[in-house]
Amino acid sequence: GNSVTQMEGPVTLSEEAFLTINCTYTATGYPSLFWYVQYPGEGLQLLLKATKADDKGSNKGFEATYRKETTSFHLEKGSVQVSDSAVYFCALSDQGAGGFKTIFGAGTRLFVKA
Amino acid sequence: DARVTQTPRHKVTEMGQEVTMRCQPILGHNTVFWYRQTMMQGLELLAYFRNRAPLDDSGMPKDRFSAEMPDATLATLKIQPSEPRDSAVYFCASGLVRASGRAGNEQFFGPGTRLTVL
Repeated sequence: GNSVTQMEGPVTLSEEAFLTINCTYTATGYPSLFWYVQYPGEGLQLLLKATKADDKGSNKGFEATYRKETTSFHLEKGSVQVSDSAVYFCALSDQGAGGFKTIFGAGTRLFVKA
Repeated sequence: DARVTQTPRHKVTEMGQEVTMRCQPILGHNTVFWYRQTMMQGLELLAYFRNRAPLDDSGMPKDRFSAEMPDATLATLKIQPSEPRDSAVYFCASGLVRASGRAGNEQFFGPGTRLTVL
């Protein structure tokens, strides 16, 4: 079945450091890939997405490229801020149920120090 | 600013009591999800609905949990009787699946209900 594996946290960085959070997936067919972010006390919210191979999703300085050959969707940001401290979830959805059933990774907690 | 709302935000109850959690999806969305989040298990899908009909509730313990959509503006998740292991944050999410049924559709999450069963 479909699955998502992302790097374990927590990840602790200083402000302005470069961020990479690794995510790999297993899926049949051609899933869409997502990164969601969860701030303390809130629900998840979509950060970015990519719907086909080689697409790059980007938002708020974060980027991720859909790599079919390596089944990866790594999240990157060139210079993190304290306000980026949150939990980040990699996810995929496939064509089942109209493309809406979403498989989430375990989440990676990011701490950014001033 | 359309958003998913959930009530109550916090609930503390004793083992054996009934708990009802409510969700108002974003107006016009046709798909509703219930998730449970714990430190140990992460985010688990409990059930989801399309056009108010249950499509999959295989993630939900059937003996004590039930999920319904009495109308398009209300989804409920009920636990009866509640147990301490049900303590978690319960999220509702909604989304719009278009006729093409293509993948890539975003889910919009509510703020969650934090449930504590003593």
